[in-house]
Amino acid sequence: KQEVTQIPAALSVPEGENLVLNCSFTDSAIYNLQWFRQDPGKGLTSLLLIQSSQREQTSGRLNASLDKSSGRSTLYIAASQPGDSATYLCAVSYAGKSTFGDGTTLTVKP
Amino acid sequence: KAGVTQTPRYLIKTRGQQVTLSCSPISGHRSVSWYQQTPGQGLQFLFEYFSETQRNKGNFPGRFSGRQFSNSRSEMNVSTLELGDSALYLCASSLTGDLMNTEAFFGQGTRLTVV
Repeated sequence: KQEVTQIPAALSVPEGENLVLNCSFTDSAIYNLQWFRQDPGKGLTSLLLIQSSQREQTSGRLNASLDKSSGRSTLYIAASQPGDSATYLCAVSYAGKSTFGDGTTLTVKP
Repeated sequence: KAGVTQTPRYLIKTRGQQVTLSCSPISGHRSVSWYQQTPGQGLQFLFEYFSETQRNKGNFPGRFSGRQFSNSRSEMNVSTLELGDSALYLCASSLTGDLMNTEAFFGQGTRLTVV
């Protein structure tokens, strides 16, 4: 059974700092890994999708890496802003099912 | 291009009742997946529909069911509601489903409260 773990559960940083969120999964047989952002009480917004054959994806200030063999992914956020405050979830997909981590709640202080 | 639309946004039901939630995917998307999100269990996969057929199912009791129509809109039904069914129910649409190259887009969710 696939299990996804995200560390830390919560993170508070001052504005402008670079930060890394971690995601680990137990079964390396995945099709892709996706990072999402969720604001309180809202749905999920897709940030980056990394296919199993890829090593990283970039979008603006965000960079996600994937090491399938070690079961790890990181989301790097550069020059953090208060608007980045949200919960970040990673999900791995295989054979039509997605397994989500519990998320990291990020607070960026002005 | 309209996003994924879920209705209603909020719902309050009594134990024992049944409820139907609706999800309209992005135009052209044929796969709809449903998830339950609770503070204790996180996001859990319920089921996925593709071209009107249930293609994948999570580990939920038979009280949870769904269907998909020819226009790809999907409904989820929960019968004999229990207090523990209180959750945010999210649906996600994608072109072909959670396979190799597909990205999932989520709706805003339906907040169900069972009293």
